[in-house]
Amino acid sequence: RKEVEQDPGPFNVPEGATVAFNCTYSNSASQSFFWYRQDCRKEPKLLMSVYSSGNEDGRFTAQLNRASQYISLLIRDSKLSDSATYLCVVNQAGTALIFGKGTTLSVSS
Amino acid sequence: NAGVTQTPKFRVLKTGQSMTLLCAQDMNHEYMYWYRQDPGMGLRLIHYSVGEGTTAKGEVPDGYNVSRLKKQNFLLGLESAAPSQTSVYFCASTRQGTGNTIYFGEGSWLTVV
Repeated sequence: RKEVEQDPGPFNVPEGATVAFNCTYSNSASQSFFWYRQDCRKEPKLLMSVYSSGNEDGRFTAQLNRASQYISLLIRDSKLSDSATYLCVVNQAGTALIFGKGTTLSVSS
Repeated sequence: NAGVTQTPKFRVLKTGQSMTLLCAQDMNHEYMYWYRQDPGMGLRLIHYSVGEGTTAKGEVPDGYNVSRLKKQNFLLGLESAAPSQTSVYFCASTRQGTGNTIYFGEGSWLTVV
């Protein structure tokens, strides 16, 4: 089992749609969690951290389920500009940052 | 504030040649990382460093060496480049501890022919 797994997609949705991505991690000692966004031929950039209580930033909502070891990202009212690859990142005990392979989202008009 | 800077941005190497990628950060971060990203493989950790003078192996360290002689710099070396090392290389840094934002450089595109 991969340490961090994501559905690679692609997810093709129309503008205005709601889309959800899931990510599972295998190490129960993992301590912190993030969603990063990566545009084509660019470096990954932080989208949001994921907290145990769940957190929201505008149209984006992140959830963490420690018991089931999965993280989710919900995007409401999708925009064309949301088209990108979304990376799930898990910080395990110590300093290792483990990335999922990413989920590709394509939003069309 | 430049953040994380990688040089060179693009490079073509012949098989067997050596080269060094330089990563510099001006945020006084303790932790620095080198990743490679290949199609369908995601970001894979090559080596990392938790402080000046320390380095550790990541998931795919073979064929690479690193050095962290100064806190702000993290060098990635290829002693004898192979076509399998054709990739995009990203350097990243973060403050000590967990839960901190990771900052990436813009990437270095390396082709080995």
